Amino acid sequence: QIQLVQSGPELKKPGESVKISCKASGYTFTDYAMHWVKQVPGKGLKWMGWINTYTGKPTYADDFKGRFVFSLEASASTANLQISNLKNEDTANVFCASQGFAYWGQGTLVTVSS
Amino acid sequence: EIVLTQSPTTTAASPGEKVTITCLASSSVSNMYWYQQKSGASPKLLIYSTSSLASGVPDRFSGSGSGTSYSLTINTMEAEDAATYYCQQWSSNPITFGSGTKLEIK
Repeated sequence: QIQLVQSGPELKKPGESVKISCKASGYTFTDYAMHWVKQVPGKGLKWMGWINTYTGKPTYADDFKGRFVFSLEASASTANLQISNLKNEDTANVFCASQGFAYWGQGTLVTVSS
Repeated sequence: EIVLTQSPTTTAASPGEKVTITCLASSSVSNMYWYQQKSGASPKLLIYSTSSLASGVPDRFSGSGSGTSYSLTINTMEAEDAATYYCQQWSSNPITFGSGTKLEIK
């Protein structure tokens, strides 16, 4: 069956970096884009952008340009999100989603606190 | 950016009651998508392309609309439908979500 399995929760200090992974299984990874979605605890959903899993080209929403990098390990059917120079406002649950948002990862909670 | 305004923000329904959630877009969109999110879980796709039911979704859920006005209807409320519902548009970059409607069971 189709699954997206994300890496575990992260606790970081302001200024540090974090890398979140999303491993896909049950389908051909390069056939579908991978999207990233942010959810601050208790708040709504915000689209961060997507990566073309065939070409590797990323597209970032305006609020996620600069410190955010989408990348692939296509041989491992894995998409990654790296956030650098973490800020308190980056504290959120981050989801990966594929196949037109029909499939979602379980979410990775990133907590930024000094 | 297309802003999606959902109403109501919060509502409650008794088992068997009909529920309608509305999503108004700031500009015309070609389709709307609807998600259900329960506490502590990932969002789940309910409706795609305005009115098509996602796989495994009970047929008490339905979607309709066009242009700038869309709606999600639950024909007969069940306890398991208590959740937060989000609309989403892909017609225009960036992809945007509504702010959510929290549905509680009475």
